[in-house]
Amino acid sequence: GIQVEQSPPDLILQEGANSTLRCNFSDSVNNLQWFHQNPWGQLINLFYIPSGTKQNGRLSATTVATERYSLLYISSSQTTDSGVYFCAVFEGGGGADGLTFGKGTHLIIQP
Amino acid sequence: EPEVTQTPSHQVTQMGQEVILRCVPISNHLYFYWYRQILGQKVEFLVSFYNNEISEKSEIFDDQFSVERPDGSNFTLKIRSTKLEDSAMYFCASSERVWGSGNYGYTFGSGTRLTVV
Repeated sequence: GIQVEQSPPDLILQEGANSTLRCNFSDSVNNLQWFHQNPWGQLINLFYIPSGTKQNGRLSATTVATERYSLLYISSSQTTDSGVYFCAVFEGGGGADGLTFGKGTHLIIQP
Repeated sequence: EPEVTQTPSHQVTQMGQEVILRCVPISNHLYFYWYRQILGQKVEFLVSFYNNEISEKSEIFDDQFSVERPDGSNFTLKIRSTKLEDSAMYFCASSERVWGSGNYGYTFGSGTRLTVV
C-alpha cells in the first residue's frame, strides 16, 4: 500500500517562530488532508489539499502532486498550535479505500 | 459547518464485555469509516462502509468487530469480548466522495476514548 512519511517527527519552537512540516507519499493520490490533533485527542481538519496552495490565517499548505509531497507552514506560532500534525492521503482508483495516515509531527510551542 | 457526531466521548469497560460505539455521519455523505488510534501511535484504518455493506476492512478488523447502520442516521461499531489491547481512541469519519467532482474530503468525529480494564 501507499507509504506516508512525515518529517520532522518532533519539533520544539519558541512562540512567534515559523515552521514547515513535510509529508512525502509514495504514489499518486486523489486526496491529501492535514489534521491537527489537539491535547484532548480531537482530529481537527486543517486543509483538504490534493494539489496547489491554500491559506487559512497563519496556516498555509502546498501540495506538489507530481513530486509527491506536501508542506504545512505555520507562521507566528502560538502555544495553542502545540499538538500532533498528521498528513493523510487517499489513493482512490482501486487503491486503499480509507485514508492512510503518516506517523505525525509532534509540535511543541514554548512560551 | 456539518459535523460527524460520536457518542460516548469516553467509555470504560471490563475486559470480556461488549461495547457499541455510535456515530452520526454527515447526512448527505455516502461513505462511512472507523479508525483507531492507540495512545501515542498513528491513526489506523479499520473499515469502510458504503451502500449498507462493508466496502473494505483492514487486518485489524477481525471477527471481534462488526459495523452496522441500524437506521438512516446512525453508524455503529461493535467490539465483542473486549481485550486490554482494544483500549484506544476510535474515530468515525464520513466522506461525500462524489466521483468526478474532485471532492474526496473526509470529516472526522471527535472520537470515543475506550478504556478496557
